[in-house]
Amino acid sequence: GESVGLHLPTLSVQEGDNSIINCAYSNSASDYFIWYKQESGKGPQFIIDIRSNMDKRQGQRVTVLLNKTVKHLSLQIAATQPGDSAVYFCAEIAYNFNKFYFGSGTKLNVKP
Amino acid sequence: DAGVIQSPRHEVTEMGQEVTLRCKPISGHDYLFWYRQTMMRGLELLIYFNNNVPIDDSGMPEDRFSAKMPNASFSTLKIQPSEPRDSAVYFCASSTGGGNQPQHFGDGTRLSIL
Repeated sequence: GESVGLHLPTLSVQEGDNSIINCAYSNSASDYFIWYKQESGKGPQFIIDIRSNMDKRQGQRVTVLLNKTVKHLSLQIAATQPGDSAVYFCAEIAYNFNKFYFGSGTKLNVKP
Repeated sequence: DAGVIQSPRHEVTEMGQEVTLRCKPISGHDYLFWYRQTMMRGLELLIYFNNNVPIDDSGMPEDRFSAKMPNASFSTLKIQPSEPRDSAVYFCASSTGGGNQPQHFGDGTRLSIL
């Protein structure tokens, strides 16, 4: 039969604008969440993480928000730069159950 | 600091051949993970080790796949015999603390089975 590849959602933003990438997670037992950035030809690179006892965590130009009620995670990138163009993955971990899940990813395209 | 090191970076071989992928985790990391990434299925966890012991291999697709970790600084993922559908990018990652610390990934091995 015909195979179907993953169609990554794409977010296109203008350089200098803020970007928001969303992720819905599936396991209510997940208690640790990570955002990764993957550039072409490279492995996923850690950006920021958050534990389930927090709602918000800030890094350099990045903020992660966690809404456990609706099982939603978001990554905000301030003043997006061309170097931010990549695929972004969220990962959820249920530590006590040794379960690790990666989302399918969102492609961020930054227009100069 | 040296990150996770994988070799080879690229491998092209004919179906039926044995393929061995190698990984050197970050020194001091006690968890090691093997992933496969394809366009169809995204990033899939195959197996992971804690202190050189396999903890969960439920993601290994079939008996043709095997993984070993003979010591804290080296792991292999072997496919025998290889098939075209095994073509993918294989990543190794390591971490401290397993499920409550971020995993650090290597740059992967791009495997093509002809």
